[in-house]
Amino acid sequence: SYELTQPPSLSVSPGQTATISCSGDNLENRYFSWYQQKAGQSPVLVIYQDIRRPSGIPERFSGSSSGDTATLIISETQALDEADYYCQAWDSSVIFGGGTKLTVL
Amino acid sequence: EVLLVESGGGLVQPGSSLRLSCVASGFRLTDYAMHWVRQAPGKGLEWVSGITWNSDAIDYADSVKGRVTISRDNAKNSLYLQMNSLRPEDTAFYYCTREIPPVRDIPHRGFDSWGQGTLVSVSS
Repeated sequence: SYELTQPPSLSVSPGQTATISCSGDNLENRYFSWYQQKAGQSPVLVIYQDIRRPSGIPERFSGSSSGDTATLIISETQALDEADYYCQAWDSSVIFGGGTKLTVL
Repeated sequence: EVLLVESGGGLVQPGSSLRLSCVASGFRLTDYAMHWVRQAPGKGLEWVSGITWNSDAIDYADSVKGRVTISRDNAKNSLYLQMNSLRPEDTAFYYCTREIPPVRDIPHRGFDSWGQGTLVSVSS
């Protein structure tokens, strides 16, 4: 079955850029979404269709996809960005990555 | 404002059944495919099931296939998940989520709205 692999954790300092990767096979034919989930809350869509940002999501959030890796980039990371981040795509059904815990310290 | 409100969770014994409901407001349910996604405590997101706007296509994760049935009643702005033969590994928060409509050559684009979730606990 198709799998998406994310690093389990990432730590950045406030103001730095956080880069979260999501790797899988045959990414060229797939579009990726990214979700932010803060502790005790429901997931929130932050990037869809690889690079598109929903209304209300800060411009600090951006996405890219190249080769076998999709990437979520958070520029000028703030303390309020601390959360779990999940990538997601479709194969024969919906697939989520295992999630990356972003710590801002 | 788009709202998805789940209900129907609870503590049940293994082998029991539950019916989860999701009431949608703030948008036309008939314009969207809908899905259920679950999250075991402390774990990641797992897709459970999806249904197209008119129920002509339905899909299930292998982990629940044969034990759950997804349905919808657009007239009642509602999505449902009937869960039978529940197992301890079904213990999770169950989220109702809305799929972004497809465009041109892009059939699937992500989930743009999520409910607050309803907790299903399966334990003896």
